[in-house]
Amino acid sequence: SQELEQSPQSLIVQEGKNLTINCTSSKTLYGLYWYKQKYGEGLIFLMMLQKGGEEKSHEKITAKLDEKKQQSSLHITASQPSHAGIYLCGADMGAGNNRKLIWGLGTSLAVNP
Amino acid sequence: DGGITQSPKYLFRKEGQNVTLSCEQNLNHDAMYWYRQDPGQGLRLIYYSQIVNDFQKGDIAEGYSVSREKKESFPLTVTSAQKNPTAFYLCASRNGGGRETQYFGPGTRLLVL
Repeated sequence: SQELEQSPQSLIVQEGKNLTINCTSSKTLYGLYWYKQKYGEGLIFLMMLQKGGEEKSHEKITAKLDEKKQQSSLHITASQPSHAGIYLCGADMGAGNNRKLIWGLGTSLAVNP
Repeated sequence: DGGITQSPKYLFRKEGQNVTLSCEQNLNHDAMYWYRQDPGQGLRLIYYSQIVNDFQKGDIAEGYSVSREKKESFPLTVTSAQKNPTAFYLCASRNGGGRETQYFGPGTRLLVL
């Protein structure tokens, strides 16, 4: 099973609508990263969250890490066609020599004009 | 402009041929990473290097080799032992071994003729 679960797997919304993407783990997340990827291109860094309850915003995108540091949500307000792409979450898990970076499978977002 | 460059954008491999993917960064980052991305499987770590002249195997190192002779360069060779090399390859770098953000290159798509 996937250590980092993303939901939904894909999403189609009408332009102007709000949406939320979730990233969930059964273990504590020491650092949670959100990236966006256009098909056939590299990953663009959006935000990093480290502290429980932390919330960050970039333009119309807000990401939050819950108090238990096991789930993060990415919220897009008033979606635009430019928001379309694949959103991936990555997380630092473990500590010291056991630390590793793991990845969700991504959420594909389409925004219809 | 600081960043990570990967070349070529597309690469074709014949049966039994070794091919090398280039990754260069001018961010002065210590750590560099190679990932493979396949549809539905997310990012999988091939090799990583925390410092010059040192590198470690990731989760799917078989059929691949790397070198780290210079801080800014981390080429990946896909050998003939890799039986299913068709994928999108992403290079990333990170400053230090702490909870720093990974930044990605634009990727190389490898196709088998």
